Amino acid sequence: QVQLQESGPGLVKPSETLSLTCAVSGGSISSYSWSWIRQPAGKGLEWIGRVYTSGSTNYNPSLKSRVTMSLDTSKNQISLKVSSVIAADTAVYYCARHITGYNRGGFYNWFDPWGQGTLVTVSS
Amino acid sequence: QSVLTQPPSVSAAPGQKVTISCSGSSSNIGNNYVSWYQQLPGKAPKLLIYDNNRRPSGIPDRFSGSKSGTSATLGITGLQTGDEADYYCGTWDSSLSVYVFGTGTKVTV
Repeated sequence: QVQLQESGPGLVKPSETLSLTCAVSGGSISSYSWSWIRQPAGKGLEWIGRVYTSGSTNYNPSLKSRVTMSLDTSKNQISLKVSSVIAADTAVYYCARHITGYNRGGFYNWFDPWGQGTLVTVSS
Repeated sequence: QSVLTQPPSVSAAPGQKVTISCSGSSSNIGNNYVSWYQQLPGKAPKLLIYDNNRRPSGIPDRFSGSKSGTSATLGITGLQTGDEADYYCGTWDSSLSVYVFGTGTKVTV
């Protein structure tokens, strides 16, 4: 089955760029959409955005100007970059397969599976 | 500030039932499908329910989902200590063009 593993620096300085990768095994990233979701300690989940199989993206407006997501099909990985980070970007970052579509019942979206998450701390 | 509201906590004795509500609006729950996630302490979230009421393979039928109007509900019957976790609802918000999660509910058994 599909498994996801996030990786990247655990500590990033304020104003710098946070860079994470999500390695996918057990399936091709070209077959599905993929999302990044984050969770500050003790708080709820926040959807950051998604990248489609085509490479096109859809970001949360609250982060849109600072976020870039992309696919690396040669490595079967998804990447996330968040620029100009601040302390509020400190969180556990998860990648997840994003099943999405539309039918007469509306938009359907769900995330399955999820990676184990990686903690990123923004501090000098 | 989440647009989907859940009760902060619910509790019940082992073997009993709990329900968790998720209240939204016509731009999200009212016109799109809802999914539910279970987050055990220190773990990543896990899909419990998708398309309002469908269970992925491996999820026991003790977990159920429903939707009515602009609200959704997760039900858990036959509560077990292993069900102690945070539960989140989620759906697409067509006005905001963003996937939104609920505020989260802590279940105590």
